[in-house]
Amino acid sequence: KAGVTQTPRYLIKTRGQQVTLSCSPISGHRSVSWYQQTPGQGLQFLFEYFSETQRNKGNFPGRFSGRQFSNSRSEMNVSTLELGDSALYLCASSRTGSAYNEQFFGPGTRLTVL
Amino acid sequence: GESVGLHLPTLSVQEGDNSIINCAYSNSASDYFIWYKQESGKGPQFIIDIRSNMDKRQGQRVTVLLNKTVKHLSLQIAATQPGDSAVYFCAENYNTDKLIFGTGTRLQVFP
Repeated sequence: KAGVTQTPRYLIKTRGQQVTLSCSPISGHRSVSWYQQTPGQGLQFLFEYFSETQRNKGNFPGRFSGRQFSNSRSEMNVSTLELGDSALYLCASSRTGSAYNEQFFGPGTRLTVL
Repeated sequence: GESVGLHLPTLSVQEGDNSIINCAYSNSASDYFIWYKQESGKGPQFIIDIRSNMDKRQGQRVTVLLNKTVKHLSLQIAATQPGDSAVYFCAENYNTDKLIFGTGTRLQVFP
């Protein structure tokens, strides 16, 4: 069974631009969660989608948004990029989205904002 | 590979020794805890979990201990191997379906 895939793996943008990251969950998984990982803040929860609906949201500004498609693939978008948005963005999929279900992480997208 | 953290606490152990990685969690109401391993260039990988109604749980070469009195979690790795070198995170859940991750500990295994 293929794992969670994320594209692109690396991305370089400049301040003020916007970016879209993609995540394909494991087949049969309906929940996708997104996390931001930085050296200073560690792993922080962004949001979680289940069956095309956002169920949970972390404490990030509205510049961070996401969506999920009917095939469970998910995208996250960051608008008006800031230097502090440079991070590794991870998505994780699980069958139900419950934190009691094992989450499987993708390799991440490394975003660098110049 | 990806840089997970430049200033993480680091535990250095010799191959074959046992490793103990500690984590202090934040919420006394947390009822579920997970340890993850993150190798360079990869996403976190599930190692072992434990619910708050347990004090200890064992897996293959790993043991998780939970001390709710002091809100402390530990991961013990027996006979540490070079392949165990990675960053280890604990995560907690308190009925929100959102995992809260700790800052991580880097484990370095030397021959």
